[in-house]
Amino acid sequence: QSVLTQPPSVSGAPGQRVTISCTGSSSNIGAVYDVHWYQHLPGTAPRLLIFDNNHRPSGVPDRFSGSKSGTSASLAITGLQAEDEADYYCQSYDSSLSGCVFGGGTKLTVL
Amino acid sequence: QITLQESGPTLVKPTQTLTLTCTFSGFSLSTGEVGVGWIRQPPEKALEWLALIYWNDDKRYSPSLKSRLTITKDTSKNQVVLTITNMDPVDTATYYCAHISPSDAFDIWGQGTMVTVSS
Repeated sequence: QSVLTQPPSVSGAPGQRVTISCTGSSSNIGAVYDVHWYQHLPGTAPRLLIFDNNHRPSGVPDRFSGSKSGTSASLAITGLQAEDEADYYCQSYDSSLSGCVFGGGTKLTVL
Repeated sequence: QITLQESGPTLVKPTQTLTLTCTFSGFSLSTGEVGVGWIRQPPEKALEWLALIYWNDDKRYSPSLKSRLTITKDTSKNQVVLTITNMDPVDTATYYCAHISPSDAFDIWGQGTMVTVSS
């Protein structure tokens, strides 16, 4: 049971928009702590997609965006492409655990 | 350019101690606001944070594994070492080390090393 809750799977057709939610609590997302998002393709290293809730590292397409409100955060992907099919994880810090926490991951399928 | 590479045994027996080394380049762990963390992924399961160490030797551990983990750094060798005691088959996983940015995100990851725990 992950501290941050994500839907196990989402899907969308090429060109569509999908969102992935990440629900936490007052000791992590709902506190002052930022949310980061990662893309993970099997057999490769995870890739940072979004940091500090809504910032993209250089090289990440602007099709990817993040937001945070209250105890939840979301990752949005517009203009879905086949190469976006991967697992996506949110991550934050939890004050009650005094450490980092990851979501359970969401598998994105591009139909 | 920041790079990280994990190294260690691919197979350990139950009850043994696992020692993993993260060798990095492109940054120093003796300068401010950076760190190195360890994260693992058991087969078909989610990412799990294990431990991290900052430039100032501040260390944090996953509460569920804290009694079994030790993280250290050797700034002269540009290495971070993670030891996990009393290994069990449930610890079978791919282990990653990652650079921690000033915003506390894992911004650069190593390729990972697969560790199997079996007698």
